[in-house]
Amino acid sequence: DIQMTQSPSSLSASVGDRVTITCRSSQGMGNYVAWYQQKTGEVPNILIYGASTLQSGVPSRFSGSGSGTTFTLTISSLQPEDVATYFCQNYNSAPWTFGQGTKVEIK
Amino acid sequence: QVQLLQSGAELKKPGASVKVSCKASGYSFTRYYIHWVRQAPGQGLEWLGLINPRDVSTNYAQKFRGRVTMTRDTSTNTVYMELRSLTSDDTATYYCARGSLEGLIHSWFDPWGQGTPVTVSS
Repeated sequence: DIQMTQSPSSLSASVGDRVTITCRSSQGMGNYVAWYQQKTGEVPNILIYGASTLQSGVPSRFSGSGSGTTFTLTISSLQPEDVATYFCQNYNSAPWTFGQGTKVEIK
Repeated sequence: QVQLLQSGAELKKPGASVKVSCKASGYSFTRYYIHWVRQAPGQGLEWLGLINPRDVSTNYAQKFRGRVTMTRDTSTNTVYMELRSLTSDDTATYYCARGSLEGLIHSWFDPWGQGTPVTVSS
């Protein structure tokens, strides 16, 4: 199974800060990585797929990069509505594994 | 619009089974894979498996093989996930989610159902 190791597990940043979350896979997986945002009490929502393609309707302050085994999600200017937990996902091969999540809070 | 509507919350005793439904609307039901994912309280996301509604083929996570069954009913555009021999460790919210790309197994999930809380307690 592909293991997805996400870091950090939580972070606290100020409004306007640049925030970066990293996901490392145990095997190379091309660009078959997605990122989801889950706000408290809500359903996960797709942000990025194909490692770097922004889902329609997602603010442009979100971006994704990487290939192979290291992937990053960046929020260029953190906003209060970005408070959530973020998950990376492998969809290269079964089982479709997720990172353990990064909880983002406002300082 | 594309929508997945799940059945309501369940309370089960240890050793029992639960069957959660996921009714699809707004798209061609047999053309997209449906995945099941669960999330224990305060925890991360765990993939249980998938079903191809076109040919009923399935792929289950090894952890759940022998204990999970996914089926579909094309007359109602509904997918079902049954989990047997429940323990307290199965207490979680169970989500169905559609593969985003038509006919392709390697796809991210969009959209998701609203989730079905399952509580296992004596």
